[in-house]
Amino acid sequence: NAGVMQNPRHLVRRRGQEARLRCSPMKGHSHVYWYRQLPEEGLKFMVYLQKENIIDESGMPKERFSAEFPKEGPSILRIQQVVRGDSAAYFCASGYGNTEAFFGQGTRLTVV
Amino acid sequence: AQSVTQLDSQVPVFEEAPVELRCNYSSSVSVYLFWYVQYPNQGLQLLLKYLSGSTLVKGINGFEAEFNKSQTSFHLRKPSVHISDTAEYFCAVIPTNFGNEKLTFGTGTRLTIIP
Repeated sequence: NAGVMQNPRHLVRRRGQEARLRCSPMKGHSHVYWYRQLPEEGLKFMVYLQKENIIDESGMPKERFSAEFPKEGPSILRIQQVVRGDSAAYFCASGYGNTEAFFGQGTRLTVV
Repeated sequence: AQSVTQLDSQVPVFEEAPVELRCNYSSSVSVYLFWYVQYPNQGLQLLLKYLSGSTLVKGINGFEAEFNKSQTSFHLRKPSVHISDTAEYFCAVIPTNFGNEKLTFGTGTRLTIIP
């Protein structure tokens, strides 16, 4: 049973480009969560999704950030027109509503 | 809303010495409590969790934590640390009535083991 898979592990983007981060939840998990970890800080919740639905996006920046979890395929976190301040580690976690979330290895985004 | 406070951002400890990492939380509803460990450039791994029952919870790698409802604390302890315990440790909570796994994290404690 594969764990939560995130790719790419490392992503370098120039300012103004788009970053697309992918997350495949564990088999059977219908809940996906995205968190951001800025350097020297803890993890901050961004968005909670179930298949084809955004349940809670209270932690998402109002502009440039979007997330989806389609019926088929991985969840995608998209950052448009990246800026230096978007450089961070982005973690995905999955679960099925039973209180334990499983985390992926993260995508480390560097904006140059 | 919930909040988690980890007062110690860094804790240096000599190898084979005991360690306690402190965690306090604030919440208007009952919560489940978790400790996660993050090794350098890795994801988060669950160390232990408190859902109900005995307030002393044992986890992996010899760690344990005690839930104290009156003090709203969930401190993590290990009687004898090893070099391999060098990592960042995060305390987190989930409301018990939400039916999902959205975690509120503390800012983390970096544990450094001194040989």
